[in-house]
Amino acid sequence: GAGVSQTPSNKVTEKGKYVELRCDPISGHTALYWYRQSLGQGPEFLIYFQGTGAADDSGLPNDRFFAVRPEGSVSTLKIQRTERGDSAVYLCASSLIGAALGNEQFFGPGTRLTVL
Amino acid sequence: KQEVTQIPAALSVPEGENLVLNCSFTDSAIYNLQWFRQDPGKGLTSLLLIQSSQREQTSGRLNASLDKSSGRSTLYIAASQPGDSATYLCAVRTGANSKLTFGKGITLSVRP
Repeated sequence: GAGVSQTPSNKVTEKGKYVELRCDPISGHTALYWYRQSLGQGPEFLIYFQGTGAADDSGLPNDRFFAVRPEGSVSTLKIQRTERGDSAVYLCASSLIGAALGNEQFFGPGTRLTVL
Repeated sequence: KQEVTQIPAALSVPEGENLVLNCSFTDSAIYNLQWFRQDPGKGLTSLLLIQSSQREQTSGRLNASLDKSSGRSTLYIAASQPGDSATYLCAVRTGANSKLTFGKGITLSVRP
């Protein structure tokens, strides 16, 4: 089937604006993750969903960042009052959870966010 | 706090050379380790996943090894090709927490 998809692929916004980034995981994957990757760095964890609930949101940098996954499939990352420092590539990944499966994470192509 | 280090940051080799990319991590209590490839402007492609109980995994010209006790993993690429040019990232999953902790990656350039 299709892999993880993310929309939009690029988003340019002005400082102070609100943005939403969407992630469609691989069908049937119960776990969904958001990461943020700045230039020259590895991805940094933001939040992890198991089903509809956020199992770990310890990576969200502050309360301007929020994510939802209301039906346990598609997820939306929401950023309020964007700042220039939020500019990065936002990556989404999904996996099937199970010890025998190794919980391998499969990544989408990312959304490049630029805050002017 | 788990930290993952990949050194050097960049590597350039002639085509056909066998090479080893290194990854080290500070907390040996890992669940598994994944190696990824990232092409410029693209997402991450999973190359190999090694469970904590395994010593190595192989896929084609790639072989990844894991020495959990010393906190090290290596990615061996045989007979490198220009198409192997990309950034290679190592990531570990620690304990019950499902997040991956990444290194900064090694940017590989294979010269024709």
